[in-house]
Order: sequence, then C-alpha cells, then structure tokens
Amino acid sequence: DAGVIQSPRHEVTEMGQEVTLRCKPISGHNSLFWYRQTMMRGLELLIYFNNNVPIDDSGMPEDRFSAKMPNASFSTLKIQPSEPRDSAVYFCASSLKGTGGAGTDTQYFGPGTRLTVL
Amino acid sequence: GDSVTQMEGPVTLSEEAFLTINCTYTATGYPSLFWYVQYPGEGLQLLLKATKADDKGSNKGFEATYRKETTSFHLEKGSVQVSDSAVYFCALRFPSGSRLTFGEGTQLTVNP
Repeated sequence: DAGVIQSPRHEVTEMGQEVTLRCKPISGHNSLFWYRQTMMRGLELLIYFNNNVPIDDSGMPEDRFSAKMPNASFSTLKIQPSEPRDSAVYFCASSLKGTGGAGTDTQYFGPGTRLTVL
Repeated sequence: GDSVTQMEGPVTLSEEAFLTINCTYTATGYPSLFWYVQYPGEGLQLLLKATKADDKGSNKGFEATYRKETTSFHLEKGSVQVSDSAVYFCALRFPSGSRLTFGEGTQLTVNP
C-alpha cells in the first residue's frame, strides 16, 4: 500500500534556477497539502488543495512559488527563480476529507524533498 | 491567531525513563489536537489525537489527554526506548477546516 510519494528526495541547485517538486498523493485521497520545514520557522503550510482546487494559498511566500494539481494523483510545487533562503525540506501530505467536516481526517506525509539552493 | 507552544528541546533521556513533552495551545473555540512524530529522514506520522475535552489519545505506549481548562495536550510515556528517538510535534486543527497548526517540535534522544 503505497504512501505519499515525493520526488526528488534531494535537490541541489544554483540560485536563479527553476525547481520543480513533485507529489503523488495516496490513491483515493481528496485533499493535498504542501508544507515547508526549516530550523528557523518550523513547519509551515504553504498551500492546500481539495478535489484538485486550491483552497488556501495564504502560506505561499511570494510570487516565485506556484503550485498546481492537474489531477487527483499528481501535484507540483515550483520555485522560479530559486533563492538560497528557499533551502528547506518540503513535505507533501494527503488526506481524505469527510463531507461532515469533522476535521479529524488524518494527514499522511510523504518523506519530503530536501532542497538546497546554493 | 491560533498557536501551539511546545516545551523547548532537545530532551535527552535514558532508556526506560518517564517522558513528558508539554504542549499548550491558544485558540478561539475547541480544536482537535494531535501529536505527530518524525523519525530521522522521514516525513511526519500521526502518533495520536483527541477531538474533544477530556479525550485521551493513545498509541504505542504514548498518551495525551485533552485538557480544556489548561488548554494543554501533554505527551507522556511511562518507559521510553531508544527507538522512540525522534522529533515530536503537537498540532491543532479546527473541525471546520483542514489547516494544521504545528508547534515548534521537540527533539527527543533516548540513550541505551
């Protein structure tokens, strides 16, 4: 039973380059989340989708960041141009959001992509 | 705004010691509360949760009780093992939404 899949696991790039992170959620899940983890700021929610539609992108740091979810089984987070301060571990998570809105649906996290921008 | 505060780490214990990691929250209303664990090099995993006051979540020997009067959700384990070494995150979420608000995380190291 595959969990959330992220690729690449590690990415090293130079400042100014475009970076694309990929995520495949658990089959059947209808919500997808992108988080960033740094020592300074901890875990931050960047954006989340429900049924492939972006619901809350208030955590996206700036216009250099964009996220898409073209279908239920794939999402990308793109940074263009990248900067050294974008270095972090980026996690994707997915969940099955109940129609009752109980708010207890469990988010399952992927292993993360460690991004280093030189 | 809503926030979660965890005790500062790192925490270092000997095997079989008693563990407490404090977590308090600030929120308007009554959120659901969670503990997640992150093992080295891995993503976060849900450890336990509680959805209403006085609920006790438990898993793998860990427990936490939702205390509305003290707005707390402290994590406890009676006898830790080396394999419990990880970072532990307390988090909250409201029933009407999907956004998880995390605490800073507490690094736990258990020595043999």
